[in-house]
Amino acid sequence: SQKIEQNSEALNIQEGKTATLTCNYTNYSPAYLQWYRQDPGRGPVFLLLIRENEKEKRKERLKVTFDTTLKQSLFHITASQPADSATYLCAPGNSNSGYALNFGKGTSLLVTP
Amino acid sequence: DVKVTQSSRYLVKRTGEKVFLECVQDMDHENMFWYRQDPGLGLRLIYFSYDVKMKEKGDIPEGYSVSREKKERFSLILESASTNQTSMYLCASRFSGRGGEQFFGPGTRLTVL
Repeated sequence: SQKIEQNSEALNIQEGKTATLTCNYTNYSPAYLQWYRQDPGRGPVFLLLIRENEKEKRKERLKVTFDTTLKQSLFHITASQPADSATYLCAPGNSNSGYALNFGKGTSLLVTP
Repeated sequence: DVKVTQSSRYLVKRTGEKVFLECVQDMDHENMFWYRQDPGLGLRLIYFSYDVKMKEKGDIPEGYSVSREKKERFSLILESASTNQTSMYLCASRFSGRGGEQFFGPGTRLTVL
């Protein structure tokens, strides 16, 4: 069955450092992968989409990589700030997965001053 | 800005009651989704609708039904609420065509006593 794995342990880093979050998937051949941010008690908010033919995508301090051979996406936040503290969810999708996205369980990031 | 609204932020119901959760989006999106989110289990898809009057079961449809009579509104119905349906319920919408970002509502935290 299809599986999406994100680090279940919270990631604690110091302000100014780069945070790297991992998303691994199995039994998937995603045509794209999306990343979302979720704050406590709120709905997820879309951040970035990367397609299978893209190795890397950037948006301001965010960078996403997509390695279809390793079946992995890495999500980087450079120069992290306390305001980046949140849970980050990945969601691989493909043309065979129909209309709905399945999400990983998310990794909690805590950035301390 | 896309807006997805949900009828209640918090709801308390008794076991056996019929519960309606309403979701409205204002961006003319074809696709709409209902998820529930529980600690340690992540986001799980209950039902989705790819167009008016169309619906598809997600991963955990048991105990739920949905209604989509108008394009902008997607309702989730708990036919006979049970304590194991206590959860955070999240509605989302997006344009048709796979790969589009999903816009989430703020969520309804439902407690069934």
